[in-house]
Amino acid sequence: DAKTTQPNSMESNEEEPVHLPCNHSTISGTDYIHWYRQLPSQGPEYVIHGLTSNVNNRMASLAIAEDRKSSTLILHRATLRDAAVYYCILRDPTGLGEYGNKLVFGAGTILRVKS
Amino acid sequence: DAGVTQSPTHLIKTRGQHVTLRCSPISGHKSVSWYQQVLGQGPQFIFQYYEKEERGRGNFPDRFSARQFPNYSSELNVNALLLGDSALYLCASSLWGTSRETQYFGPGTRLLVL
Repeated sequence: DAKTTQPNSMESNEEEPVHLPCNHSTISGTDYIHWYRQLPSQGPEYVIHGLTSNVNNRMASLAIAEDRKSSTLILHRATLRDAAVYYCILRDPTGLGEYGNKLVFGAGTILRVKS
Repeated sequence: DAGVTQSPTHLIKTRGQHVTLRCSPISGHKSVSWYQQVLGQGPQFIFQYYEKEERGRGNFPDRFSARQFPNYSSELNVNALLLGDSALYLCASSLWGTSRETQYFGPGTRLLVL
């Protein structure tokens, strides 16, 4: 079972920011928080990852709580192309943790973007 | 540059038949992983291969098998198909297959078992 909890679905208006939450209360000290998304009829694609500090890239920002038990993926201006299922995944960089080298997906959050 | 490619894109089989799905990783990537995604759920890990050797296996029956070839492409085989095997089968590749790396997914093969 995935070690993360996400809302089933969220809705946003186009051009507005979206905050996608993820709870991971059992995160270990070495786990990185990764986000992938899956657009309709496509395979998942990497979005962003972080350990402790907030992270930014061209796709999104990742805000990590100080206790690391939760995080938020931020899309600064949602577009219709951002409508997808967003997955929050924990990964141990050593590969020695419970899940080894594989990705363990939960059900994710379905993001709907309204025009 | 070409991404991960999978073939066929769609497939219809009947119960009891056998199926072979194919995956070509990104050029230079030596690790391939397979995932099964049932409708409405996240992908579930089936196998990981690195340098032609199995590196990991998920909780799937022995009807599922895979192999990796010298050119790093891979095949997933499923014997004695069941209705419950209907799913999207995803292939992902990475350079070394470690958990430090991003996995790059193909578009998947959608299998329907009747």
